[in-house]
Amino acid sequence: AQSVTQPDIHITVSEGASLELRCNYSYGATPYLFWYVQSPGQGLQLLLKYFSGDTLVQGIKGFEAEFKRSQSSFNLRKPSVHWSDAAEYFCAVEGNKLVFGAGTILRVKS
Amino acid sequence: EAQVTQNPRYLITVTGKKLTVTCSQNMNHEYMSWYRQDPGLGLRQIYYSMNVEVTDKGDVPEGYKVSRKEKRNFPLILESPSPNQTSLYFCASSGGYGYTFGSGTRLTVV
Repeated sequence: AQSVTQPDIHITVSEGASLELRCNYSYGATPYLFWYVQSPGQGLQLLLKYFSGDTLVQGIKGFEAEFKRSQSSFNLRKPSVHWSDAAEYFCAVEGNKLVFGAGTILRVKS
Repeated sequence: EAQVTQNPRYLITVTGKKLTVTCSQNMNHEYMSWYRQDPGLGLRQIYYSMNVEVTDKGDVPEGYKVSRKEKRNFPLILESPSPNQTSLYFCASSGGYGYTFGSGTRLTVV
């Protein structure tokens, strides 16, 4: 069975600073990988997904993620964070089903 | 517009009073699923359905029932709700290349 680990429960970054959210997965084959964002009181919005091909994936809102098979990782990055990026971020992996990590809460300080 | 529609968005109920949360999708997806979201735990799968009349347990099925009598609908039934089922619930559907989520149902059982 697959699993997802997001090691950081909370992360605080300054507005304009770069961001990297970590995600490690466990699955025997190459999975489908996703990052979702959830603003307070809102539903889930898909940021980006990886199915195959180029391991650097571009998403919405200036986010990108890189699939590293050797490290079983799919870290989310953004070069310059905006205050509106404050939210909770979920990494998810689909093997035989879609499994989510516990989430990382991003705080942005001005 | 392709979407998954959940109702109601908010629900407060009392222990033991049967309730149903509806979920409907307009994308002709075969796969549908229910998740619950709890702080620090991410989203956990309750039940899923691969097609009409085919349902199976997810990771946290206790206290829940589902049915899939037609492709577009996948209601979640709590026959005797308890306070530990207070949570945020999401319905999702998939056609094989990613998932579409509903807006969520915030359930409080008192």
